[in-house]
Amino acid sequence: DIQMTQSPSTLSASVGDRVTITCRASQSIDKWLAWYQQRPGKVPKLLIYKASSLESGVPSRFSGSASGTEFTLTISSLQPDDLGTYYCQQYKNYSRTFGQGTKVEF
Amino acid sequence: QVQLVESGGGVVQPGRSLRLSCAASGFTFSSYGMHWVRQAPGKGLEWVAVIWHDGSNKYYADSVKGRFTVSRDNFKNTLDLQMNSLRVEDTAVYYCAREGNYDILTPCDYWGQGTLVTVSS
Repeated sequence: DIQMTQSPSTLSASVGDRVTITCRASQSIDKWLAWYQQRPGKVPKLLIYKASSLESGVPSRFSGSASGTEFTLTISSLQPDDLGTYYCQQYKNYSRTFGQGTKVEF
Repeated sequence: QVQLVESGGGVVQPGRSLRLSCAASGFTFSSYGMHWVRQAPGKGLEWVAVIWHDGSNKYYADSVKGRFTVSRDNFKNTLDLQMNSLRVEDTAVYYCAREGNYDILTPCDYWGQGTLVTVSS
């Protein structure tokens, strides 16, 4: 199985900060990577697909990038609504593994 | 609009079985692959299983292989997960999720609200 390693596990930031979360795949997944946001008590929401494509309706402060097997989710200016846990997921394989999550707190 | 509604969760003893269902509406169910994803209390997301749009292929996480079976009824627009030989570590909220179909590979774009399964003696 492909392993996905996210960092950091927890991120403390302030409103307006630029925030970066990293996800590394254990082998090549091309660009088949998604980012999800899960607000407390809510269902996961798709933010980014194919490493850098913004899902419809998602604010433009969210962006994704890729370099080899390393992927990055950036929030350009953190907003109060962005509190929650962020997960990467590879979907190159049938077994679609998630990263362990990054909790964003203020 | 797209709706996915899970049901069938509850409390069950270790070793017993449980069947979850997901009722889909608001889209052409037979055109989409469907997934089950679970989340143990206070933990991260774990992918469980996928079934192709026509039911022709199914794949499972190693943690549930041989114990769980995913199926679908494209006439009734329902997705099921039969869970046998349940273990304490299967305790989780189980989500059904729709796989998008706008590329050769697509992540899940819609998720249900989830149903809680508690395995405890």
